[in-house]
Amino acid sequence: ETGVTQTPRHLVMGMTNKKSLKCEQHLGHNAMYWYKQSAKKPLELMFVYSLEERVENNSVPSRFSPECPNSSHLFLHLHTLQPEDSALYLCASSQKVAGLAGTYNEQFFGPGTRLTVL
Amino acid sequence: KQEVTQIPAALSVPEGENLVLNCSFTDSAIYNLQWFRQDPGKGLTSLLLIQSSQREQTSGRLNASLDKSSGRSTLYIAASQPGDSATYLCAVKSGATNKLIFGTGTLLAVQP
Repeated sequence: ETGVTQTPRHLVMGMTNKKSLKCEQHLGHNAMYWYKQSAKKPLELMFVYSLEERVENNSVPSRFSPECPNSSHLFLHLHTLQPEDSALYLCASSQKVAGLAGTYNEQFFGPGTRLTVL
Repeated sequence: KQEVTQIPAALSVPEGENLVLNCSFTDSAIYNLQWFRQDPGKGLTSLLLIQSSQREQTSGRLNASLDKSSGRSTLYIAASQPGDSATYLCAVKSGATNKLIFGTGTLLAVQP
């Protein structure tokens, strides 16, 4: 495997289900991101993890719960979602530049998980 | 608050044409600007990254320019091909943050 991989690629779930999205990066990066892409809207940043510590959370509802157990893996745990949460969820990774606080190189994206909430 | 706009929202051209996609941003204090390509239902592929100190970047038939003072970037595609059909997104990174602010994209269709 190379680059950034995501599983599953497609997911259909009911509003009462609990599921998890998985992302793995094989680039040796130290920062990982979750984005949401809804129809006709710009990509929205949801969470950022740097060195396995959450450094940004853009007021995402608590029904989305991220987890970053190590620098290569990122999860998004889902529970009691709403139909408006149906979207393409994209994972990305990048490398934080040593010595420059808050500075990161370009982000590389995975193929995404197409989520449908019924 | 940084806002990124892409015009046009959709573009259809015959094969072989040269074309320009536009991206504008409201806050000129950016760290870099990145152009991506997204195929239907797929993730993003990074095309070009321009640092704030640079004026342009080139990769094959693609050329991206950056004018920070006017808050604009253009992506020039030479000799377009049907395989170039996709949505093109631009995103800016402001200052020292790691947040990318995306535009809504331009959907390009190159007709054979």
